[in-house]
Amino acid sequence: AQSVAQPEDQVNVAEGNPLTVKCTYSVSGNPYLFWYVQYPNRGLQFLLKYITGDNLVKGSYGFEAEFNKSQTSFHLKKPSALVSDSALYFCAVRDGQAGTALIFGKGTTLSVSS
Amino acid sequence: NAGVTQTPKFQVLKTGQSMTLQCAQDMNHEYMSWYRQDPGMGLRLIHYSVGAGITDQGEVPNGYNVSRSTTEDFPLRLLSAAPSQTSVYFCASRTGPALANSPLHFGNGTRLTVT
Repeated sequence: AQSVAQPEDQVNVAEGNPLTVKCTYSVSGNPYLFWYVQYPNRGLQFLLKYITGDNLVKGSYGFEAEFNKSQTSFHLKKPSALVSDSALYFCAVRDGQAGTALIFGKGTTLSVSS
Repeated sequence: NAGVTQTPKFQVLKTGQSMTLQCAQDMNHEYMSWYRQDPGMGLRLIHYSVGAGITDQGEVPNGYNVSRSTTEDFPLRLLSAAPSQTSVYFCASRTGPALANSPLHFGNGTRLTVT
């Protein structure tokens, strides 16, 4: 069975500082990994994905994520946080060989202070 | 280009009432799915469909029915609403066959309250 863990309910950073939102996963086959962002009263928006290849994936709004197979992690990062990055972030995983359904973590609230 | 459209945006039901949450997409996506979002629980998959005429259960299917008669539409039915079904419901779709790696496109959600 697939599962995703986001160990932090909330991450607080100051504007201009680097940010990291953590994600670990469990899947039987090769993982398809995704990050989504949700702003208040809106649906989720796709940020980036890892399917295969380079372990560092770049996505929208200056975000990137690093895939680490040995640690089964896919942490979201940004070199310099903006106040407008404040939102709810979700990590999600699918089994690339056998799973059609995308399983989400519980989400991490990112708060960027000015 | 409307993307994924969900109606209604808000709904209040009494326990035992039935209703259908509508979801339509205009991107010719084969895969469609329904999630519910609850505080501290993240998004949990209710039902999904890999194409017209094909549906399957997700993590939390009890109390919900779905059908997929066309590629565009994927309605979610609550036959007898319960307070435990108070939640925000999201419909999402993606292109490609069942095992494709394309990302999900989400609607803006339906906020349902059952009293």
